[in-house]
Amino acid sequence: DSGVTQTPKHLITATGQRVTLRCSPRSGDLSVYWYQQSLDQGLQFLIQYYNGEERAKGNILERFSAQQFPDLHSELNLSSLELGDSALYFCASSLGTQSSYEQYFGPGTRLTVT
Amino acid sequence: DAKTTQPPSMDCAEGRAANLPCNHSTISGNEYVYWYRQIHSQGPQYIIHGLKNNETNEMASLIITEDRKSSTLILPHATLRDTAVYYCIVRVTNTDKLIFGTGTRLQVFP
Repeated sequence: DSGVTQTPKHLITATGQRVTLRCSPRSGDLSVYWYQQSLDQGLQFLIQYYNGEERAKGNILERFSAQQFPDLHSELNLSSLELGDSALYFCASSLGTQSSYEQYFGPGTRLTVT
Repeated sequence: DAKTTQPPSMDCAEGRAANLPCNHSTISGNEYVYWYRQIHSQGPQYIIHGLKNNETNEMASLIITEDRKSSTLILPHATLRDTAVYYCIVRVTNTDKLIFGTGTRLQVFP
């Protein structure tokens, strides 16, 4: 158990819909990361927040957005969903932003778009 | 793009040491080498990381060559539960993200 929690575990929705994925970081961790894992793309970094502020962006679509709240939990919002958005979405957290700090991953949310 | 090269697959007998190699010939002096593994579709699990010196923890040992162009992850006594995809990652300086490559699929057999 990494200490990072994600809800829901599974999500099935239709194209065009909007969903919200939730992540609670490990106690004391200020940085939250979102990754997407699809069959053809592997694990891809989406976005990072540190202490409530966006810190880095990866290959995140404009239809996707995220935020980190004052209690440090984070939400990833996916809208106008397409079949290709079906994937595993992982959240990770770390103590801070230095590259010496390891990231711990949650169990993921499996999103299926039908 | 991933800055590492790993063999796509390896086998190891249960109880034996598993030695997973990784080449990172373009690594810079202040970039860390990280190892993660992913079992089935579970979240990637942190194993170990290092900069220059060899490192050991309860899970594994990390051996980094003196020129830092390659490293080896050692699982001293592999078990069936160590069957997973192992990712070697060079943590790029001034960026917090992890760039995952395709990893090595380790199969531990009885």
